[in-house]
Amino acid sequence: GAVVSQHPSWVICKSGTSVKIECRSLDFQATTMFWYRQFPKQSLMLMATSNEGSKATYEQGVEKDKFLINHASLTLSTLTVTSAHPEDSSFYICSAPERVETQYFGPGTRLLVL
Amino acid sequence: AQSVTQPDIHITVSEGASLELRCNYSYGATPYLFWYVQSPGQGLQLLLKYFSGDTLVQGIKGFEAEFKRSQSSFNLRKPSVHWSDAAEYFCAASLMDSSYKLIFGSGTRLLVRP
Repeated sequence: GAVVSQHPSWVICKSGTSVKIECRSLDFQATTMFWYRQFPKQSLMLMATSNEGSKATYEQGVEKDKFLINHASLTLSTLTVTSAHPEDSSFYICSAPERVETQYFGPGTRLLVL
Repeated sequence: AQSVTQPDIHITVSEGASLELRCNYSYGATPYLFWYVQSPGQGLQLLLKYFSGDTLVQGIKGFEAEFKRSQSSFNLRKPSVHWSDAAEYFCAASLMDSSYKLIFGSGTRLLVRP
């Protein structure tokens, strides 16, 4: 079946640095991808919708200048956490819909900002 | 506002016992409904989904869910729980449009007693 990958699976960085997370759809094209954030023992919160060929759409309360999203191709979306701080430490998950009723999730990227 | 509610944060059942996880939704119209499972260190896996038609849907791993329009509910059930079912379960909903956006419930953590 369809697979969505994320890289890296985990990352530790110093406060103030930027971190890039990649999300790839491996055997289908995705004009839309989603980025979620999950805090420990909490649900997935949609951060933004990544659109190939156009700007990302951010959910209310999500800083677009902090979380830069680039949908470079039909199989790749990247999330860059700029000037990361400890409060940005979280589990970031991407997803890509193959059809409206079929959405595939990546395995997630755990970010720890020291 | 659209929302998905899972009223039970934790549920503990004995292995072999039956299970029901509750999910209620609040939407202007009946959305697409999903149940996902998240095991430690793994990505979200789709258990089952409901779009229309038969209100009792069968999923993987012996799970089923029943859609009840009058109660705005989509409860997940399993007749006999296995120790490997211990995980976090998320109910999610999506509008029947091309946005593909999923809204997740807060999740229910299932613990299985030997």
